[in-house]
Amino acid sequence: AQRVTQPEKLLSVFKGAPVELKCNYSYSGSPELFWYVQYSRQRLQLLLRHISRESIKGFTADLNKGETSFHLKKPFAQEEDSAMYYCALLMDSNYQLIWGAGTKLIIKP
Amino acid sequence: NAGVTQTPKFRVLKTGQSMTLLCAQDMNHEYMYWYRQDPGMGLRLIHYSVGEGTTAKGEVPDGYNVSRLKKQNFLLGLESAAPSQTSVYFCASSYDSRPGREQFFGPGTRLTVL
Repeated sequence: AQRVTQPEKLLSVFKGAPVELKCNYSYSGSPELFWYVQYSRQRLQLLLRHISRESIKGFTADLNKGETSFHLKKPFAQEEDSAMYYCALLMDSNYQLIWGAGTKLIIKP
Repeated sequence: NAGVTQTPKFRVLKTGQSMTLLCAQDMNHEYMYWYRQDPGMGLRLIHYSVGEGTTAKGEVPDGYNVSRLKKQNFLLGLESAAPSQTSVYFCASSYDSRPGREQFFGPGTRLTVL
């Protein structure tokens, strides 16, 4: 069955340290992966999508089909990165999103 | 542009009561979605719509009904609320469903069923 796993409910790092938020997926079809972010008192919004191969706010994510992972990385964390991060998988069978449970990222000053 | 709006923001119901959540978008999007989010879980799709007059079931449709009479509105109804429907409900919309297409979210409705 299709599934998205974010193993860390909470990740706390110091400002300036590297950040890696893990996302693993299980899907037999062709996956499309996304990272969405929700800052405090703001709406859930798209951060980046793997097909764009983009870097947004210093974050990058590479789809690794061999390891079925789509980890989100940033080399130097900033305090404004503190937020909830959700990994999501778009199923090509019905174009519905399957969501991970989210990781709360706290950047300590 | 207001984007995606949801009404109401908060609601407390008693078991067995009914209510309707309203979602409105002003981006001329074809697709609209209703999700629920429970503690420690990811968003789960309740129902969605691929265009005016159409609706389809998502992952957890039981106990809910929806209607899309106008392109800009997507209503979620609870006919007989149950405590298991206590959750935060999010509406989203997208231009279409093609890969990579972004979903735009509303602020959420926090529903408590006593």
